[in-house]
Amino acid sequence: ETGVTQSPTHLIKTRGQQVTLRCSSQSGHNTVSWYQQALGQGPQFIFQYYREEENGRGNFPPRFSGLQFPNYSSELNVNALELDDSALYLCASSPFGGSGNSPLHFGNGTRLTVT
Amino acid sequence: GQQVMQIPQYQHVQEGEDFTTYCNSSTTLSNIQWYKQRPGGHPVFLIQLVKSGEVKKQKRLTFQFGEAKKNSSLHITATQTTDVGTYFCAGGGSSNTGKLIFGQGTTLQVKP
Repeated sequence: ETGVTQSPTHLIKTRGQQVTLRCSSQSGHNTVSWYQQALGQGPQFIFQYYREEENGRGNFPPRFSGLQFPNYSSELNVNALELDDSALYLCASSPFGGSGNSPLHFGNGTRLTVT
Repeated sequence: GQQVMQIPQYQHVQEGEDFTTYCNSSTTLSNIQWYKQRPGGHPVFLIQLVKSGEVKKQKRLTFQFGEAKKNSSLHITATQTTDVGTYFCAGGGSSNTGKLIFGQGTTLQVKP
């Protein structure tokens, strides 16, 4: 069984730039959720993708966008990076789409630093 | 909006002592999940509670879901150094979206 994989593991960007983070879901999982975890905080829900469509969104501005592909992998795009976007970005997959009732399987995350 | 609060934020215990973390939601939850995150790691799913008043045990860990489905607790009996990490509760709302709201976590340190 292949777990959730994320790339890259670390990234340094400059304020105003754009970034794309990638995630491959665990085999058999059709749903991908993205979370932002600032240092010392709990993960904050960004959005979830199910059947290639956004299924729920947290309190994040439109410059945070995403995609899900037919093979269930996903991308998180962030435009016009701000210093406060520096965080660990976690991708999580789950086997049953469409609700907040499925346990999440997290990847190791991408550590984004914005300077 | 929906908020999930956890207390305490930090807990230092001597190995062998018990530990409890509490989770409270501002709204009724459809389910509550618990995760553990080791330093430098990612959250790992521990358990899910769905029914009002539900109690589940995993070896030395006991999880409870309140009668009103707005609070939960995790109790560890006789802590070990392997229990070190941050424990998060995460609540699912009533809407049919994928949104899970995480608490800010309780970081447990265990002194050998």
